[in-house]
Amino acid sequence: EVQLQQSGAELVKPGASVKLSCKTSGYTFSNYYMSWLKQMPGQNIEWIGNIYGGNGGTGYNQKFKGKATLTVDKSSSTAYMDLSSLTSEDSAVYFCARMSGRPHYFDYWGQGVMVTVSS
Amino acid sequence: DIQMTQSPHSLSASLGETVSIECLASEGISNYLAWYQQKPGKSPQLLIYYASSLQDGVPSRFSGSGSGTQYSLKISNMQPEDEGVYYCQQGYKYPYTFGAGTKLELK
Repeated sequence: EVQLQQSGAELVKPGASVKLSCKTSGYTFSNYYMSWLKQMPGQNIEWIGNIYGGNGGTGYNQKFKGKATLTVDKSSSTAYMDLSSLTSEDSAVYFCARMSGRPHYFDYWGQGVMVTVSS
Repeated sequence: DIQMTQSPHSLSASLGETVSIECLASEGISNYLAWYQQKPGKSPQLLIYYASSLQDGVPSRFSGSGSGTQYSLKISNMQPEDEGVYYCQQGYKYPYTFGAGTKLELK
C-alpha cells in the first residue's frame, strides 16, 4: 500500500525557515516524482514544484523559486521541502503528492501539514 | 501560466441526480487533465486522469470527458458521500495549475 506520511504542524515566527518532511512507503521511491502543493484556508491549490526520487532533479513554479527548496533522501525514501523567510502569506496547508509520468497527475497524497507563521 | 476556469462555483444536487462540472483551459492541454475530490480537512483524492480514465477504486458513477480546452466531470446517481469540493488540474505545462474548485452539496 502506497503511503505518504507528513511531519506535524508547525508554528514559526516571521522571517524564520521550516523544513517539512514526507516519508513514503509501498512503492519504489526512486521511480517517481514527488510534488509539493500549497493550499491556503478556503483557497485554491497551488503547485510549488517537484523532485525526482532517482536523481533529485527538480522543477519549480516560478512563483516559489527562492521560497521553497526541495530535496530527497533516497536511503529513507523521504522527500523534504524547506520554506525560507516566512511571512503570513506562507501560512497554509502543505501537501506532498506522488506524481505520475505524463500526463502528470497526483495519485497519492500526504495528509497535509499546517504551517502557521505568527509572532 | 495556463488558467483553469471551473464552473459552476457551487451546486447542490438531490440523491440520485446527475451533475456536471466544467473546466475550461486557457489553451489546449491535450487531455492532460485530472479531477480530484476534496473533503473538509482531508487531502484531495484523484478521481479521473488523462481526461477520462477512472482511477482504481473510484466508483463508476464518476466519468470524465472533453478535449482541447474544454473538459467535464459527470457524477451520476448522486450519493451523500459525493459531497465535497471538486478540482480540475492540468499537467500539460509547468507550472501545473488547478481550477478554483466547485463545491457540491446534497440538496
